[in-house]
Amino acid sequence: DAGVIQSPRHEVTEMGQEVTLRCKPISGHNSLFWYRQTMMRGLELLIYFNNNVPIDDSGMPEDRFSAKMPNASFSTLKIQPSEPRDSAVYFCASSKTGSGHNEQFFGPGTRLTVL
Amino acid sequence: AQTVTQSQPEMSVQEAETVTLSCTYDTSESDYYLFWYKQPPSRQMILVIRQEAYKQQNATENRFSVNFQKAAKSFSLKISDSQLGDAAMYFCAYRIGSGNTGKLIFGQGTTLQVKP
Repeated sequence: DAGVIQSPRHEVTEMGQEVTLRCKPISGHNSLFWYRQTMMRGLELLIYFNNNVPIDDSGMPEDRFSAKMPNASFSTLKIQPSEPRDSAVYFCASSKTGSGHNEQFFGPGTRLTVL
Repeated sequence: AQTVTQSQPEMSVQEAETVTLSCTYDTSESDYYLFWYKQPPSRQMILVIRQEAYKQQNATENRFSVNFQKAAKSFSLKISDSQLGDAAMYFCAYRIGSGNTGKLIFGQGTTLQVKP
């Protein structure tokens, strides 16, 4: 299996621009998670989906952030407009409900820099 | 609310020696999972070891083992025979066990340096 795929791996943009991060979960997995990693706040969950439905979006910072999962094999995290404080590494992870401990497999992350 | 605390921002160990990374957590749940993740400079998050709260036996994976003290809410990671490739940031994480798959709550991380 190819694992969780994220694109782009690196993104540099200017403040005010729209940014879209993409994730393809592992085939057969039905839960998908978006995490953000920063020096100040560490690793924190932004939102997660179960069977394409958002279950917990309490970690989404503000209305500038939105996430969608139109089907079982694709999810996007959009920031509009972006701000310098959004600079971070964004991870996508997926897991399969019912597989015992429900291990979450992480993608390689997208490093976002907002100038 | 559940919290995870790693009190050691940095640790250092000599190659082939043993090192223990500390982790404490706070929860009112009785059913949960605990994990240790490794994040090397490539930033890929790699699962090292996991522990189910209902299991009294400490988990072991080759050179990695945990000391799970449920009453004390402590979950330390022991790395034996440390290797240069063990150098990374290590995160302790908690997840509630019941219901649908839940979010991982991470500690702040411990950077491990392995000296040759």
